[in-house]
Amino acid sequence: TQLLEQSPQFLSIQEGENLTVYCNSSSVFSSLQWYRQEPGEGPVLLVTVVTGGEVKKLKRLTFQFGDARKDSSLHITAAQPGDTGLYLCAGNMGGSNYKLTFGKGTLLTVNP
Amino acid sequence: GAVVSQHPSWVICKSGTSVKIECRSLDFQATTMFWYRQFPKQSLMLMATSNEGSKATYEQGVEKDKFLINHASLTLSTLTVTSAHPEDSSFYICSAEEGGTYEQYFGPGTRLTVT
Repeated sequence: TQLLEQSPQFLSIQEGENLTVYCNSSSVFSSLQWYRQEPGEGPVLLVTVVTGGEVKKLKRLTFQFGDARKDSSLHITAAQPGDTGLYLCAGNMGGSNYKLTFGKGTLLTVNP
Repeated sequence: GAVVSQHPSWVICKSGTSVKIECRSLDFQATTMFWYRQFPKQSLMLMATSNEGSKATYEQGVEKDKFLINHASLTLSTLTVTSAHPEDSSFYICSAEEGGTYEQYFGPGTRLTVT
């Protein structure tokens, strides 16, 4: 059973389009992180959200944490070819457990 | 800040030999480090949690005698793949957790190919 359901799994769009990636769970997370990974490299942390209903913006990327802290979304405005990569959401249950539970990832391709 | 290095970045070895991969936190101390395995175009699969000064905690299905983990200092963890076989070929990535933040910073990964 996948604790964090991430969708869509694959997304291919044209430059300039908008897109949203979803991360859903039936479990409550203490915090949730979004990472971006390029081929042959390690994931790079984009943002951490910790408060229910929180919205964070990083240039053209908008991250939202659900009110109940069970889901999150990543919205990209006016996508560019440089946004191409694997986007991963990962949640942490908090307490003394520092493990992250990863979603399956969204492979985004932005075509010029 | 929060830089994690990994060495080597790629390695090719013969079946039956052992390979050691190092993971270092360069600008912070990491009590907890993690080792992941990743297959092409897939998400990360946690192999084990490495705690400084204590034994690693392995995920279900991961052979602890095959994947030896040592976390001898607050900035270094090593993963040794013993008696490697072609099916061990994969992308291995480490991460380090920064001081109770629950945020993990990842190394650049090591591509292991066993021939």
